[in-house]
Amino acid sequence: EAQVTQNPRYLITVTGKKLTVTCSQNMNHEYMSWYRQDPGLGLRQIYYSMNVEVTDKGDVPEGYKVSRKEKRNFPLILESPSPNQTSLYFCASSRGGDPTQYFGPGTRLLVL
Amino acid sequence: AQTVTQSQPEMSVQEAETVTLSCTYDTSESDYYLFWYKQPPSRQMILVIRQEAYKQQNATENRFSVNFQKAAKSFSLKISDSQLGDAAMYFCAFMEYGNKLVFGAGTILRVKS
Repeated sequence: EAQVTQNPRYLITVTGKKLTVTCSQNMNHEYMSWYRQDPGLGLRQIYYSMNVEVTDKGDVPEGYKVSRKEKRNFPLILESPSPNQTSLYFCASSRGGDPTQYFGPGTRLLVL
Repeated sequence: AQTVTQSQPEMSVQEAETVTLSCTYDTSESDYYLFWYKQPPSRQMILVIRQEAYKQQNATENRFSVNFQKAAKSFSLKISDSQLGDAAMYFCAFMEYGNKLVFGAGTILRVKS
């Protein structure tokens, strides 16, 4: 089944404790992206990647890092999480030239 | 910067009736894409419908259709014969280039039986 997977789905952590949210897609998509969803703000792009080893900042990249060492994986790294990073996070992927993005199930993060 | 505005935070509709969700956007480009995504309580993002700006014909998907007014930069979603399963948050989204989606704040749709 074609899908985007994210792990973990739920995470409670404390301020300053490094964490990684994994994202993987099995559709051989070139493009991958991370969004965060906050009430009243919709979804906002954090980082995106056009292909392996090619990443760039989105609209809200502060406090986040990403890497794209393999085509299928695009992990989101929070080096020192803070309470304002409490949010619902989505990974998405799409094929080059196709604007339709396929979303993962979301990861709900609470930073205490 | 591109912006997407959904002016209705909440809407209600009676089962089997029709409801229209509004969306406006701002861009200076002529080529772009517009989307409506549905987010049920499971939080999964589900693509409802997509419209290419160069197409004059409004997109339709079964009970879902759009009214795309390019000059007015308006992109409303009409849901016909509303069903209980249509209850969800609906997001309007815009894509100009680079596969970056810009989302509106969302509209919560409640369906009454």
